[in-house]
Amino acid sequence: DAGVIQSPRHEVTEMGQEVTLRCKPISGHDYLFWYRQTMMRGLELLIYFNNNVPIDDSGMPEDRFSAKMPNASFSTLKIQPSEPRDSAVYFCASSSRGTQYFGPGTRLTVL
Amino acid sequence: GENVEQHPSTLSVQEGDSAVIKCTYSDSASNYFPWYKQELGKRPQLIIDIRSNVGEKKDQRIAVTLNKTAKHFSLHITETQPEDSAVYFCAASAGGTSYGKLTFGQGTILTVHP
Repeated sequence: DAGVIQSPRHEVTEMGQEVTLRCKPISGHDYLFWYRQTMMRGLELLIYFNNNVPIDDSGMPEDRFSAKMPNASFSTLKIQPSEPRDSAVYFCASSSRGTQYFGPGTRLTVL
Repeated sequence: GENVEQHPSTLSVQEGDSAVIKCTYSDSASNYFPWYKQELGKRPQLIIDIRSNVGEKKDQRIAVTLNKTAKHFSLHITETQPEDSAVYFCAASAGGTSYGKLTFGQGTILTVHP
C-alpha cells in the first residue's frame, strides 16, 4: 500500500489566487481528515469525512475554505481566494478503526 | 468537546536518560489514546497507542500508561537516543458522535543531546 497520497507537495501562489489541495486515502479506510499545521496554532483539524460524507467542518476557518469527497478514493481542499495567513502545511489523514495515518503534507506559501 | 493538555512543551535530556511526556483529557468517554512522533519536515507518525481497557503498553524502549480515573496518560521513552529528537503529540478519541475524530495536544519538542 502506498499510504496516503497528497498533491502537490509544495505550492507557492499569490494572494487572491485559488488553491486546490488533493488527497488519496488508504484503500479501505472510511474516515478522511484534513489538518492544518503552523508553528503558532499547532495541528488543527479543519474537517473530516466518514464514508464520503462531511461529519464535522467546525474547524474550517471561514467561507474561503471548502472541502469535497466525491468518492472513497479522492478528496480536495480548496481555498478561494487565498491569503498570506493561509500559509501552512496541510495534512490529509485517513483511518478505519481510530488509528490515523497521515500523508506527506502540502506546504502552502501564499505571497 | 474534548480538550487535551500536554506537558511539557519542551524537554531536553542527555542520551541514555529517560523522557516522560504527560497528557490530560477532559472527555470521560474517550477510549483511544495514540502518540505520534513528527520529525522536522516530516509527517506525524504513530509510534504507540493504547485503548481504555488497558492500563499499560510497551514496545521496546517506549511505553504508554493510562489512568482513566484521573483522565491522564503518559509516554515514557527509556535509553533515549539522538534520533528520538522530534515533536511528540498525544491525542484522544471519544466514541459516540465524535467517533473517529482525534483531539491532539499541543506537542512536546524533545531534544536528546549526545
